[in-house]
Amino acid sequence: SQKIEQNSEALNIQEGKTATLTCNYTNYSPAYLQWYRQDPGRGPVFLLLIRENEKEKRKERLKVTFDTTLKQSLFHITASQPADSATYLCALDAASGGGADGLTFGKGTHLIIQP
Amino acid sequence: NAGVTQTPKFRVLKTGQSMTLLCAQDMNHEYMYWYRQDPGMGLRLIHYSVGEGTTAKGEVPDGYNVSRLKKQNFLLGLESAAPSQTSVYFCASSYHRVAGANVLTFGAGSRLTVL
Repeated sequence: SQKIEQNSEALNIQEGKTATLTCNYTNYSPAYLQWYRQDPGRGPVFLLLIRENEKEKRKERLKVTFDTTLKQSLFHITASQPADSATYLCALDAASGGGADGLTFGKGTHLIIQP
Repeated sequence: NAGVTQTPKFRVLKTGQSMTLLCAQDMNHEYMYWYRQDPGMGLRLIHYSVGEGTTAKGEVPDGYNVSRLKKQNFLLGLESAAPSQTSVYFCASSYHRVAGANVLTFGAGSRLTVL
């Protein structure tokens, strides 16, 4: 069966350092991999996506890598700030065209940036 | 720009009662989804719709019914609530895609407690 794994433990990072979150998957061939941020009591918010044929994508302080051989994506936040503290979800998007059957989400990693 | 609006935000039910959660989006999105989020389980897809008048089952559809009578609204119904349906419910929507990623816009969530 399909499986998505994210660090289940909370990740504590010192302010200013780079936070790295991991998303591993099995029995899946996603066309895209997406990252969402979720704050307490709120819905997830889309941050960034990467295509299966891309190795790396950047957006401001965010960077995502995608290794389809290792079946792994890494999500980096550089120069981290306390405001980056949240739960980060990775989501697999299987359909390469026309599909509408939703995304499959990991359980999320709770990131805490300490001042 | 309201985005995706869910009502109610909170509800407490007794076992066996029925209720309907309403999701409304003002982005003219074709696709709409209902997810539930439970501690340690992540987001799981209940039902989805690819357009007005259509619905389809997701990963955990049992005990729920849905309807999409208007493009902007997606209703989730519980005919006979059970304690196992205590959860936070999220509605999401996205554009029809011919090719490209399926990026979801989520509502703020509806917290349901079944006693």
